[in-house]
Amino acid sequence: QKEVEQNSGPLSVPEGAIASLNCTYSDRVSQSFFWYRQYSGKSPELIMSIYSNGDKEDGRFTAQLNKASQYVSLLIRDSQPSDSATYLCAVHMEYGNKLVFGAGTILRVKS
Amino acid sequence: DAGVTQSPTHLIKTRGQQVTLRCSPKSGHDTVSWYQQALGQGPQFIFQYYEEEERQRGNFPDRFSGHQFPNYSSELNVNALLLGDSALYLCASSPGGRIAGELFFGEGSRLTVL
Repeated sequence: QKEVEQNSGPLSVPEGAIASLNCTYSDRVSQSFFWYRQYSGKSPELIMSIYSNGDKEDGRFTAQLNKASQYVSLLIRDSQPSDSATYLCAVHMEYGNKLVFGAGTILRVKS
Repeated sequence: DAGVTQSPTHLIKTRGQQVTLRCSPKSGHDTVSWYQQALGQGPQFIFQYYEEEERQRGNFPDRFSGHQFPNYSSELNVNALLLGDSALYLCASSPGGRIAGELFFGEGSRLTVL
């Protein structure tokens, strides 16, 4: 089992729709979770962090965490073509004290 | 305020050669992590340096080594290059004592091994 798993996509949504990106992780004691955005040919950029169960909203982005289910998600409301990118889920693993990334989900927003 | 800077941006090597990649962290950051990102994959953790010492290491062979200097800049060295070492090498910085996942990445060094 991979430490952090994401659907590779691509996930295609029309402009203005809600994009839903999902991630599961294996380390039950992980406490810190992150979403990074990576445009083609660029480096990853942190867009959201979440540490407690429930929802955390920042503008058009909402991160959701369910530690019991070992599940993290990112919702993007009113999706724009500029949101087209690869979204990387990252989990801080207590064992080894390291940040582990998933393979990423490609999001395509069609205008 | 300069962000994380890496050099060189692109380089081509042949199998068996050695390579050194360099990184200067964001101003105010003292912790540097290195990641390898193969095409279509997420970044894979190589190691992290803090106070000039390797603090954590991922699942990479000893051919991968590093160093951190007193000014917090860092180098990644890879010996005996293999074709499979072709990847984007990312340096990320963070301030010591902060949450380990809030990283600022440089634009990377793209290594091609022929």
